[in-house]
Amino acid sequence: DIQMTQSPSTLSASVGDRVTITCRASQSISSWLAWYQQKPGKAPKLLIYKASSLESGVPSRFSGSGSGTEFTLTISSLQPDDFATYYCQQYNSLWTFGQGTKVEIK
Amino acid sequence: EVQLVESGGGLIQPGGSLRLSCVASGFTVSSNYMSWVRQAPGKGLEWVSVVYSGGSTYYADSVKGRFTISRDNSKNTLYLQMNSLRAEDTAVYYCARDNYGNNPFDFWGQGTLVTVSS
Repeated sequence: DIQMTQSPSTLSASVGDRVTITCRASQSISSWLAWYQQKPGKAPKLLIYKASSLESGVPSRFSGSGSGTEFTLTISSLQPDDFATYYCQQYNSLWTFGQGTKVEIK
Repeated sequence: EVQLVESGGGLIQPGGSLRLSCVASGFTVSSNYMSWVRQAPGKGLEWVSVVYSGGSTYYADSVKGRFTISRDNSKNTLYLQMNSLRAEDTAVYYCARDNYGNNPFDFWGQGTLVTVSS
């Protein structure tokens, strides 16, 4: 089974900050990686697929990069609506999620 | 408009059974890969099971042999039959669509809470 490890688990930031979240896979997953945003009491929302492709309707301040085993999600200028928990997900072999990164207000 | 609506959650004693339903609208369940994903209270997301458009099914090791995924094409509905429930199965259960096969989940339901407790 492929394991996904995110860091950090919690991130404190201010509006306007550039934020980066890292996701590592236990084996190569090529570019088969997605990022989701989840707010309390809501279902996850797909932000990025294939490591760097922006889902339709997602603001351009979100970007993804990486391949193989190392991936990053970057928010270029954090907005009030972006305080949430973010999950990476591999879909190279079935599906596995990272443990999540909570982005909280500093 | 694509919509997924789960139901069937509730309080159940350990060892009991429960069947979750997910009614889809705006697309055809049988033409997509459909998954169940769960989230224990205060915890992260865990993929549980998938049924492929061709009918193949797969399960996470944590539920293999206890849960069964199925669909009713005439009702455009996805199911999850959960048997031999344990306290650690307590979670919000979401159904989710993979539109293209072996891809991320582009649409999710609102979730249904299953609580396993005596």
